[in-house]
Amino acid sequence: EDQVTQSPEALRLQEGESSSLNCSYTVSGLRGLFWYRQDPGKGPEFLFTLYSAGEEKEKERLKATLTKKESFLHITAPKPEDSATYLCAVQARNMLTFGGGTRLMVKP
Amino acid sequence: EAQVTQNPRYLITVTGKKLTVTCSQNMNHEYMSWYRQDPGLGLRQIYYSMNVEVTDKGDVPEGYKVSRKEKRNFPLILESPSPNQTSLYFCASRGLNTGELFFGEGSRLTVL
Repeated sequence: EDQVTQSPEALRLQEGESSSLNCSYTVSGLRGLFWYRQDPGKGPEFLFTLYSAGEEKEKERLKATLTKKESFLHITAPKPEDSATYLCAVQARNMLTFGGGTRLMVKP
Repeated sequence: EAQVTQNPRYLITVTGKKLTVTCSQNMNHEYMSWYRQDPGLGLRQIYYSMNVEVTDKGDVPEGYKVSRKEKRNFPLILESPSPNQTSLYFCASRGLNTGELFFGEGSRLTVL
């Protein structure tokens, strides 16, 4: 059974304080690992797809990396508008399995 | 504008009263899917469809039905809702050759 575990569950940062979110996974036949951002009351919004170990993707203050067992979402010098829940998901076959998410709060 | 539209956004109903949550996408996507999101359990897949007239069960299909008669629409049907189906529901779609899912805004359902 595919499993995705995200840590920490919640993270409080000061504006400008860089940190990383973790996504550990076990899956049979990984087709892709995805990161989404979800704001309260909204649907998840796509951020990145990673397909193979060693791959990295960047977007503004966010950088996603992938190993054979986990992925990291690095946030450099975060701003209050980066506050959201970040979801990790793995795709095997035709289904996505999501982790529980990390709720990020960035204080000014 | 590319979007996935769900209706209703909010609904309070009673046990046993059949209801349908509609989902429509304007991106000509082959793949559509329904998820429910519950505190502590995250997003869980209910059903998905690879194309018209092709549907498959996800992780939590019990108590739900779907149909895919047209490419753009993928309604979620609760034949006899129960309180344990109180949840936030999301519809999503994507092209067959991409992994990026586009999500709707969500439908918050309360079953009394």
